[in-house]
Amino acid sequence: QKEVEQNSGPLSVPEGAIASLNCTYSDRGSQSFFWYRQYSGKSPELIMSIYSNGDKEDGRFTAQLNKASQYVSLLIRDSQPSDSATYLCAVKTSSNTGKLIFGQGTTLQVKP
Amino acid sequence: ETGVTQSPTHLIKTRGQQVTLRCSSQSGHNTVSWYQQALGQGPQFIFQYYREEENGRGNFPPRFSGLQFPNYSSELNVNALELDDSALYLCASSLDTGDNSPLHFGNGTRLTVT
Repeated sequence: QKEVEQNSGPLSVPEGAIASLNCTYSDRGSQSFFWYRQYSGKSPELIMSIYSNGDKEDGRFTAQLNKASQYVSLLIRDSQPSDSATYLCAVKTSSNTGKLIFGQGTTLQVKP
Repeated sequence: ETGVTQSPTHLIKTRGQQVTLRCSSQSGHNTVSWYQQALGQGPQFIFQYYREEENGRGNFPPRFSGLQFPNYSSELNVNALELDDSALYLCASSLDTGDNSPLHFGNGTRLTVT
């Protein structure tokens, strides 16, 4: 079992729809969770962090965390073509190193 | 703009050669981490430095080594390059190693080994 798992996609949604991206993780002691966006040929860009169970909203983005189910998700409302990118789920391990474990990423395509 | 800069942006090396990649962290960030990202994969943790000491290492052989300097700069050195070392190398800095200290990535160095 991979430490952080994401469906590689591609996930295709029409412009204006809600995109739902999912991630599961194996280290039950993990406390910090991040979503990064990566455009083709570019480096990852932090878009959301979440540390406690529930929802966290920032503009069109909502991160959801359920530690009991070891599940993190990212919702993008009113999806725009500019949201088309690979979305990386990252989990900080329960060790003291601050090491981030990344999933392989989900490619999102928003069609005009 | 994250304040993390990497050089060079692209590099082509031959198998067996050695390479040094450089990173300048965001001012005040005590922690620097290096990641390797192969095409179509998520970044893989190489190692992390905190206040100039190695503070954790991923599953990479000893020919991958690093340094962190007092001026927030750091280096990743790779000896005896192999074809599979071709990847995007990412440097990321954070305030510290705490749980609530996210990583901010530089633009990466694209290394091609032929």
